[in-house]
Amino acid sequence: QKEVEQNSGPLSVPEGAIASLNCTYSDRGSQSFFWYRQYSGKSPELIMSIYSNGDKEDGRFTAQLNKASQYVSLLIRDSQPSDSATYLCAVLRDSNYQLIWGAGTKLIIKP
Amino acid sequence: NAGVMQNPRHLVRRRGQEARLRCSPMKGHSHVYWYRQLPEEGLKFMVYLQKENIIDESGMPKERFSAEFPKEGPSILRIQQVVRGDSAAYFCASSPISGNTEAFFGQGTRLTVV
Repeated sequence: QKEVEQNSGPLSVPEGAIASLNCTYSDRGSQSFFWYRQYSGKSPELIMSIYSNGDKEDGRFTAQLNKASQYVSLLIRDSQPSDSATYLCAVLRDSNYQLIWGAGTKLIIKP
Repeated sequence: NAGVMQNPRHLVRRRGQEARLRCSPMKGHSHVYWYRQLPEEGLKFMVYLQKENIIDESGMPKERFSAEFPKEGPSILRIQQVVRGDSAAYFCASSPISGNTEAFFGQGTRLTVV
């Protein structure tokens, strides 16, 4: 089992709808969770971080964390074609502060 | 407030030559990660370093590849005797000394081996 798992997609969502991206992790001690967006040919950029159970909202983005279920998700409201990218989930391993990455989910927003 | 700086942005090497990729972390950051990415593929972890220490190099090939992060100066990823299969984008990310903080990426170095 991989430490951090994501569905590779592609996930296709119509413009204006809600895109839901999911990530599960295996290390129960992890406390810090991050979502990055990567456009083709570019470096990953941080879009959300979350440390506590529950929801964290930033504009059209909402990160959700459930430590009991070892599950973190990213919701994108009012999806735009410019949201089309690969979304990477990263979990900070508590033992040595190493970032562990999921393989990424490719999101396609259809106009 | 400069971000993570990688240079060169593009590097062309002939087979058998050496490639040196540099990464200057953000100010105040002492953790550096190196990743390799092939076109249309995900990030592949290579090595995790703190100042003067290699913490985890489990993702780095045993031969030809080495990394360092000296007390002064940038982190260096060195590839000796490059082969065509080494052609990829190499990304560096840095984070501060403590946990619960985000890592930020450089723009990457695109290595092409001809």
